[in-house]
Amino acid sequence: ILNVEQSPQSLHVQEGDSTNFTCSFPSSNFYALHWYRWETAKSPEALFVMTLNGDEKKKGRISATLNTKEGYSYLYIKGSQPEDSATYLCAFYGGGTSYGKLTFGQGTILTVHP
Amino acid sequence: DGGITQSPKYLFRKEGQNVTLSCEQNLNHDAMYWYRQDPGQGLRLIYYSQIVNDFQKGDIAEGYSVSREKKESFPLTVTSAQKNPTAFYLCASTLLGERSEKLFFGSGTQLSVL
Repeated sequence: ILNVEQSPQSLHVQEGDSTNFTCSFPSSNFYALHWYRWETAKSPEALFVMTLNGDEKKKGRISATLNTKEGYSYLYIKGSQPEDSATYLCAFYGGGTSYGKLTFGQGTILTVHP
Repeated sequence: DGGITQSPKYLFRKEGQNVTLSCEQNLNHDAMYWYRQDPGQGLRLIYYSQIVNDFQKGDIAEGYSVSREKKESFPLTVTSAQKNPTAFYLCASTLLGERSEKLFFGSGTQLSVL
């Protein structure tokens, strides 16, 4: 089973703070890295899918970077709002025996306090 | 509206009983997945299917079975061999099962043991 680690496990910030989390994944057999947001009582929704080393994606106040050579991705939220409170999941899509399936990290739980 | 429907939302299983979780999609997606979530852990892959009448074991397939007789349906049976079935189960799909495609998720089923 592949090792995909996210840190921190949970994070509490004040409204307006900027924050970031990390996803670590195997640096070999890389195919893609996904980020999802999972709000309470809702289904997880895709934020980004990144496939190339050096990829940077942005959606509103949220952005992500990718380093496949060292096996990490950062998710940044600028000016956090209470509606950003959610669990943020990353998932690694690898090759070899893992081809065809995503392996998820355990998630980072973000709470934004008004 | 297109989407993924999981039912029931809550399910209770008695000792020695098999139960089946339903997952239906009208997105015309080829690939479908079943994930399990336990508190403090990431989503773990149980089974996936990339085409009708074919499916593969994920990381934690023991005690589960699936079928894929129709493109739109991918039911999961939790058998009596699954000794710790209490968890939240999510069904997901992608168009072709390729690395750059984001997952679309259902709303989940919470399974508990009586």
